[in-house]
Formats: sequence, C-alpha cells, structure tokens
Amino acid sequence: GENVEQHPSTLSVQEGDSAVIKCTYSDSASNYFPWYKQELGKRPQLIIDIRSNVGEKKDQRIAVTLNKTAKHFSLHITETQPEDSAVYFCAASKSGGATNKLIFGTGTLLAVQP
Amino acid sequence: EPEVTQTPSHQVTQMGQEVILRCVPISNHLYFYWYRQILGQKVEFLVSFYNNEISEKSEIFDDQFSVERPDGSNFTLKIRSTKLEDSAMYFCASRTGGATDTQYFGPGTRLTVL
Repeated sequence: GENVEQHPSTLSVQEGDSAVIKCTYSDSASNYFPWYKQELGKRPQLIIDIRSNVGEKKDQRIAVTLNKTAKHFSLHITETQPEDSAVYFCAASKSGGATNKLIFGTGTLLAVQP
Repeated sequence: EPEVTQTPSHQVTQMGQEVILRCVPISNHLYFYWYRQILGQKVEFLVSFYNNEISEKSEIFDDQFSVERPDGSNFTLKIRSTKLEDSAMYFCASRTGGATDTQYFGPGTRLTVL
C-alpha cells in the first residue's frame, strides 16, 4: 500500500548548523512531494514542494532534493534559527488525479538550540 | 491572504454522541479534504470531496463518518456515534484544482471523546 517513511523522528542542532530530514515513498506513481511545518497546536503550513520532473528546488534557506529512482526525497535547512523549531512532515501525492490525497510521513521534531 | 477556517476549535463529547465539525474552505477552491491527527502521530487522510461527491475515502472513513457541502461555503464532517478512538485533531484542507497541487490546511478541531 501507499506509505511514506521519514527519518529521523527527532533532530537537535545548534543554531547556525544545517538540518537534513529524509523521506522514502513506496508508490512509484507519486509525483508531488510537499513539506509541511507544524508548530505546536497549529495547522500544518506548506514550506516547500517539488514535482517529479525536477531534481532539486531551493527557497532561501530551504531546499528539497528528489531521487525518483531510489524513491527518496530530502529537506535541507541551512543556517538554522530557533524559529525553525517545529515538527516537519513530508508527504507524497499523485498529482492530476481526482483526489491528490496526501500520504504523510511520521514527522520529525526539529529542535534548534540557541 | 485567504485561509481555511474551522469551527469549533475544540469539541468535547460523550461516547456515542453525534458531532459535526465545520470547515469553510478558501472561496475559489474546488477540492476539499478531511485529515485527522491522533496526538503525537502523523496526519492521516480521511476523505476527499469534489463536485459534490466523495472522490476517495480511507479505511478509517467507515459508515460512522459522512461529509457534506450543504451550501456554497461550508464543508462538514459528521461522526454519527463517536468512539473513544475518534479523539484526535481533525484538519480540513482545500485546493484550487487544475495544475495546482498545494493543499491549504485549516487550524483544526480538537475532538475529545469521553
């Protein structure tokens, strides 16, 4: 069935360091991969996404890479700041269908130590 | 910037009671979703809705669940006879459709079943 694995479950870094979160998806038909940031008690907020026709996408301190062959995608945050502390979820979806449901990973709790 | 809204923010109910969770998607969006998140766990897809009908539902979405778009703005999730295990945060999401895959999430309704 459709599944997304996410690692690590927790990640602690010093302010200014980089953070990397990795996800693996099972459904090879997946072609849209968003990343959501969820602060405690708040809604998930989209921070970046990538489609399967692109290998890498960058937005300021955040980048996402995709390896379709290996069915891996990763989130990279550089120059981390305390306000980056949150739970990060990756997700996979089949774009263009009638549903486009998101299958989420299990989440990574990122703690940025000042 | 338009946002998805949800009411109530917190609902407490007794086991066996019916609850209705309400959502107002972003006004020009055509695709609507319900997800749930049990405390400390990942976000799980429940159901998608397009053109006034369910387009896909998960195994979680059994006969006790139903969705409705009673007018041009509201999108509701009804649980007929709540169980303890229905306690979770329920998120509504919407997207425009077409080439746009981004789903925008509401702030969630925390449902507590006693």
